[in-house]
This record gives sequence, structure tokens and C-alpha cells, in this order.
Amino acid sequence: DADVTQTPRNRITKTGKRIMLECSQTKGHDRMYWYRQDPGLGLRLIYYSFDVKDINKGEISDGYSVSRQAQAKFSLSLESAIPNQTALYFCATSGQSGPNQPQHFGDGTRLSIL
Amino acid sequence: AQKITQTQPGMFVQEKEAVTLDCTYDTSDQSYGLFWYKQPSSGEMIFLIYQGSYDEQNATEGRYSLNFQKARKSANLVISASQLGDSAMYFCAMRVNNAGNMLTFGGGTRLMVKP
Repeated sequence: DADVTQTPRNRITKTGKRIMLECSQTKGHDRMYWYRQDPGLGLRLIYYSFDVKDINKGEISDGYSVSRQAQAKFSLSLESAIPNQTALYFCATSGQSGPNQPQHFGDGTRLSIL
Repeated sequence: AQKITQTQPGMFVQEKEAVTLDCTYDTSDQSYGLFWYKQPSSGEMIFLIYQGSYDEQNATEGRYSLNFQKARKSANLVISASQLGDSAMYFCAMRVNNAGNMLTFGGGTRLMVKP
């Protein structure tokens, strides 16, 4: 089983719909992140969380919200989806300590908003 | 603010040859880390290699090595003996140590290995 699992893997929906993307991890990491990737571009940070009670905005948080229900779960919501939120979304985790801690990514959720 | 620049949108390399993917970065912090990720066409992000700003030696991981030139603020990825499976997007990313392990990504380089 994957260490970082994202569901769904693909989603097509209509403008104005509420959408939730879910992420769960078995790595025991405290830190979790949501990124967005647009075609031909690198990843941009939407939200991040260092603990269950900790939520922080990233570079592009407008139009999104998150919930950290447990250490292992971090969900991303689009309250009213719009077409320019069509993108590939990644969840990532990292350990709390160590200067060389890479982020470990899920396989991504491909979201299309019509 | 941190910035990562990858100036090569796409590159070709002949199978079995070495290739260098460029990455330059900008930060005013002295303590930071540089990462390279591979993204195949299937979409997942695969961690390849890490270099810390205080590391005196260039990082190596199998066929991957990092040519770290701190004064020039560059952290180029070298792939030796290219294989067809190396065809993918490659992203350089930077983490500043006082920024909570958040990564700033470059725009990526698409590498295509020719048989």
C-alpha cells in the first residue's frame, strides 16, 4: 500500500459544486501539505499543517479550505469550484526533524472543472 | 522570498550518455536545502536527491549526482548513463530551514531520452 494515499485519483465536476479531496498517510509524519500543479508549471503550495490543530495558508489559498481531522488525514475542499481550479493536486508529508527531510508525495488527484 | 529557476524547458539526451539539468536559486537565508524530484508521465512525484547548504561534498545517489556551486547559487542535477525510463519532468525545489519545511519549486525540465 502507498504511504501517502489520495482519493479520488480523478474527478470531473461542474462549476459551483463543492468538492473534497482527501489525503491519508501511514508514515507517521506530523507535517502535511497540499499543492497544486498547472500544466507545464511547478507545484505551488495551497495549505499546510504541522499538527492536528495547526492550519496555515500557503501561496495560493484563496478559494480553498482544509481540515486536519487527525494526524494521518488532511483534506482539501473547494467550496464552489471554478474552471481555473482545474489542475493536478498533490498531498505531501514530511517528518518533523532532520535537515534533509524530503517531502513524500501522493500520486495526485487530477481535477477537471467544467 | 525564495525563487527557483530552471531555464531548460526541454532537453534530449542519447541513451547511455550523461545529462545535466540546470537549477539556480535565490534566497537570503544561509541555511537551506535543495531537492530534485522526478515526475514521470504517470504523474507521481519521486524524490531523487538532496543537498544541504552546509554540505561540503556534492550529493550522490546511484546514477544521480548534484553539482552544487554555492557561490553561484546553482544546484544542477547530473544523470549518468541515461536510460529510457529517465524520460520525465524533473523539478528542482528549495526548502529554507526557518520556513517549516515548505518547498518552493522551479518550473521543471522535461527530459527525453532517445534510444
